[in-house]
Amino acid sequence: DTGVSQDPRHKITKRGQNVTFRCDPISEHNRLYWYRQTLGQGPEFLTYFQNEAQLEKSRLLSDRFSAERPKGSFSTLEIQRTEQGDSAMYLCASSLAQVYQETQYFGPGTRLLVL
Amino acid sequence: KQEVTQIPAALSVPEGENLVLNCSFTDSAIYNLQWFRQDPGKGLTSLLLIQSSQREQTSGRLNASLDKSSGRSTLYIAASQPGDSATYLCACEGDSNYQLIWGAGTKLIIKP
Repeated sequence: DTGVSQDPRHKITKRGQNVTFRCDPISEHNRLYWYRQTLGQGPEFLTYFQNEAQLEKSRLLSDRFSAERPKGSFSTLEIQRTEQGDSAMYLCASSLAQVYQETQYFGPGTRLLVL
Repeated sequence: KQEVTQIPAALSVPEGENLVLNCSFTDSAIYNLQWFRQDPGKGLTSLLLIQSSQREQTSGRLNASLDKSSGRSTLYIAASQPGDSATYLCACEGDSNYQLIWGAGTKLIIKP
């Protein structure tokens, strides 16, 4: 299977702990996106990379959140000092930059629960 | 600021019916509009992508239309099947960045 994968699929943590999520995009895709989705809502954009460069960050991405994409392949999203409001599904997507018809392919997500 | 709205939030119809899901957006300066499907506990699957210069796209039993001037898109599902049960989300990509702005989705249940 060469789709987008995310690890872990589920994470339960206590408030104040740090967590890190990993996303492996489709191998030839040069763009990678992170979204957050809460129950009953659509995803909210967090950040995106083109190759290893982080080109855009949402205001939702507070200083407790950091994302990296070393070498332009997999990406990690770290949340420091987690809060209960961070509980959500974190989705990763990748795409191949094209002039037209750029479709984002999503991973299964990492569901975070902060107690 | 772009806002995307989907009505209704939930819809239940008998198998075999044709149905229409609605999506509206406030800013017509979009690069494209996309429809996705989300199954419980799973990620999102892209169904159709309509470029801003296009009026509609079709894939099998699905047809999506786009009217930028009125800020509306519809997803038409023909001859619905129980396997179509899922949450359907629309998303607009702005013409100045690569962000997708999403609606909250319509949860569709097709009754056998």
